[in-house]
Amino acid sequence: DTAVSQTPKYLVTQMGNDKSIKCEQNLGHDTMYWYKQDSKKFLKIMFSYNNKELIINETVPNRFSPKSPDKAHLNLHINSLELGDSAVYFCASSPDGGSNQPQHFGDGTRLSIL
Amino acid sequence: DQQVKQNSPSLSVQEGRISILNCDYTNSMFDYFLWYKKYPAEGPTFLISISSIKDKNEDGRFTVFLNKSAKHLSLHIVPSQPGDSAVYFCAASDSGTYKYIFGTGTRLKVLA
Repeated sequence: DTAVSQTPKYLVTQMGNDKSIKCEQNLGHDTMYWYKQDSKKFLKIMFSYNNKELIINETVPNRFSPKSPDKAHLNLHINSLELGDSAVYFCASSPDGGSNQPQHFGDGTRLSIL
Repeated sequence: DQQVKQNSPSLSVQEGRISILNCDYTNSMFDYFLWYKKYPAEGPTFLISISSIKDKNEDGRFTVFLNKSAKHLSLHIVPSQPGDSAVYFCAASDSGTYKYIFGTGTRLKVLA
C-alpha cells in the first residue's frame, strides 16, 4: 500500500528516444509534482498539478510534457531524450498544494541516457 | 542562484551524541521550512517543519531551530542513532509561490 508509487524504477535508453514515467498516489491528495535531481544532487521542481490543472511550470524544455488524467495520477512524457536528461525524477503529492504542507515523495525513477 | 544552501556535504557523529545539521537561505520571503530525510534508492521522507512565526519546533529526538535574522535553520538530533544515517535535505517555501526550494543535502553518518 505504497502512498506514492512511480514506474519504472530504472530506465535506460538511447538518445533520441521517447519515454514515459508514471506516478500514482493513493493518499487522496489534490496536488502532485515532478522533481528532477541532477548529478549535483539539486532537487528542483519541474511541474505541479492541482486537481488535474497545471499550476507550476518551471523553465523546462518543452520536450517534457506532464499529463494528469485524474488527480491521483501524474505522468511525465519526455520526447527526443538527450544526455542531459539523465537524472533521478521524483514524483510527490500534497493535500492541496499549500506551501505549508509537507510533500510525500515516491522512490524515484533513475533515467540513464546512453 | 542557490536560495537554500547546506554548506556541509557530510557529517559523522558518534552514536548517542548530538547531530547538528545546518541550512542557510537568502530569500526573506520564505515563511515555511522543512527537513527531509533520504535513504539510498528511496524518496525523501518528511521529518519536521517550522513556520517563520516560531523559532523552535520539537518532535521526539528531532528539534528544528530557526534564526530569521541570520536566515539560518538547524536540525538537532539527540541522541543520534545508527538508523539516522541518511542524507538530510532542508527545504523552504513562501506562501506566494507554493514551491519548495531544496538544499543539496548533508550526508549524516552515525557511528556505532
